[in-house]
Amino acid sequence: AQTVTQSQPEMSVQEAETVTLSCTYDTSESNYYLFWYKQPPSRQMILVIRQEAYKQQNATENRFSVNFQKAAKSFSLKISDSQLGDTAMYFCAFLPAHRDDKIIFGKGTRLHILP
Amino acid sequence: EAQVTQNPRYLITVTGKKLTVTCSQNMNHEYMSWYRQDPGLGLRQIYYSMNVEVTDKGDVPEGYKVSRKEKRNFPLILESPSPNQTSLYFCASSLLGLQGSPFEAFFGQGTRLTVV
Repeated sequence: AQTVTQSQPEMSVQEAETVTLSCTYDTSESNYYLFWYKQPPSRQMILVIRQEAYKQQNATENRFSVNFQKAAKSFSLKISDSQLGDTAMYFCAFLPAHRDDKIIFGKGTRLHILP
Repeated sequence: EAQVTQNPRYLITVTGKKLTVTCSQNMNHEYMSWYRQDPGLGLRQIYYSMNVEVTDKGDVPEGYKVSRKEKRNFPLILESPSPNQTSLYFCASSLLGLQGSPFEAFFGQGTRLTVV
């Protein structure tokens, strides 16, 4: 069975620092998608960044970037120059790239950005 | 504006009283799904739908029903709610990617359900 593990239930960093959230997954699939979602106190789920497994280049979206290590099945999220508005729960998610399959979420990492 | 709309946002109900949480998307997405979010358990999928009249069970379907009569709507039905269904519920919709798999989910704002 495919699983997604986020080993850090909670983290705190000072504003403007860089923080890395870890995510590992277990699968026998060769083609899949990986996502990071942000859930701020408003509770809405917001897609932060997406990575296709067949792409070797790490995805980047402004201050957010990933370190995708396919062989190690690792997909960490780096937030540079962290801001107070980055305070949220972050979910890593995995999706096999074939029909009729389910997206699988990790349990989340609660990130606090301290002023 | 592209969005997924859930209603209601908050609901308190009593055990056994049937309820429906509506979900509507305006992006013409084929794929829609329901999740529940519980502390320490993250998000778990309840049901999903690949298209109109096509639904399938997720990881935690017991106690829930869904229907997909129209592409834009995917209501979640609790025929006889119980206190263990107290949770935060999210509806999501996605396009299907080139290989037919859901891609980049857009989420509704969530429904906080309390069953007493």
